[in-house]
Parts: sequence; C-alpha cells; structure tokens
Amino acid sequence: EIVLTQSPGTLSLSPGERATLSCRASQSVSTSYLAWYQQKPGQAPRLLIYAASSRATGIPDRFSGSGSETDFTLTISRLEPEDFAVYYCQQFGGSPPYTFGQGTQVEIK
Amino acid sequence: QVQLQESGPGLVKPSQTLSLTCTVSGDSISSGAHYWTWIRQPAGRGLEYIGRIYTSGSTDYNPSLKGRVAISVDMSKNQFSLTLNSVTAADTALYFCARVGIVETPQAIDIWGQGTRVTVSS
Repeated sequence: EIVLTQSPGTLSLSPGERATLSCRASQSVSTSYLAWYQQKPGQAPRLLIYAASSRATGIPDRFSGSGSETDFTLTISRLEPEDFAVYYCQQFGGSPPYTFGQGTQVEIK
Repeated sequence: QVQLQESGPGLVKPSQTLSLTCTVSGDSISSGAHYWTWIRQPAGRGLEYIGRIYTSGSTDYNPSLKGRVAISVDMSKNQFSLTLNSVTAADTALYFCARVGIVETPQAIDIWGQGTRVTVSS
C-alpha cells in the first residue's frame, strides 16, 4: 500500500499569502496518477489538480501542482477567502487501495 | 451537467448489510469513458477508497474491507451500487459515489455525489 503523508497538518495564513502544501509518498507514484482535491465543510471534495500538474476545468490559475516520484506540492499563489479549506492528495497508481493523504487544513490566521 | 446522487438507508444494524445506490444523470455509465467509484469519510476524518467498477463489470476493492464489499452496475437504470456485509460501528461514515476519469482528467475523481451519511447502530 502506498502511504501518502501530507504536511503540514494545519497551515495558518492570511488572505493574499502564498500556501505551499506537501504530499510525500512512501514509494514512487507516476505523475499521471497524482491528484489534489479541496474540501469545504459539509461539501464533497472538488478536483483541483490531476496528473500532478494539470488544472481541472474551472480551477483558477492561482492553484498549481508540481512534483514527481515521491514528492508532490500544491501551491496556492495568493490565498482568496474561499480557499480556506482542507486539501487532500490522492494516488491511483499500482494496485488498490488508491490512497488519500490525511489532509492539510488551510485556516485563516 | 453530470450529477451523481447517492440513496439508501441512513441507519444499519451491526452485522447486517449496507446497501447504497448511485444514480448518474448527464452521463452514461455504458459509454466506457469512466470508472465509477465509492469513497467514504468517517466524521471529522479523511477519505478512504472503497472500490470502483468499469463498464465491463470489472472491479477492484480496498483490501482492508476483507471481502465484505461488492460494487455492481445496472446500465439499464444508469446506476451503480455498493454492498458492504457484516457492518460494524467502524463502517459509520459519509459515503460518496464518484466518477473517475480515463481519458479526460485521467485517474482523478472529477465528479462527486453530495454524499450520504450511514450510521451503524442497534
């Protein structure tokens, strides 16, 4: 099983600041199979990034993804009020289970 | 606009079977362009992959569910379903059905249902 470890657990920032979220895999994950999601309270997750760096339809360009093998990053260049939420990485590589990270909460400082 | 809607009992007794159905609108399961998946989320916790099914009927499941789980598809109704046997309190969660891309947004969950809460309790 590929374990995804996200850090930090909580990120306290102000609107307008840059957010950098990390997702580290216990073994190499193809970039084709790494995605990022945003989840707000009481809502289903929303796809932000697929294939490690491709933005999903309708996602603002302040969201970007990068990385390869075992180290992946989601960057929000300038936080908007609606960006305060929990973010998950997920991998669909290899065999099931197709695991999620434990999440990073981005909260208002 | 593609929408997924979960339905099923919100309360299941321990040792019994949890059964949920996901109705897809705005897309056809039979198109073969996507996988169809179930994800769950215990209250206040992270997301757990349950399993997925393809148009052909082929499936894969989370090994942690130890053979208790089955996902099936009914293309005539454009629905897919989850069955989880021998449930315990640990199966209490918000259950999401969702769509996984193959060509567009490959290997990513691009559409989610709103989720349905299932509680296991006597």
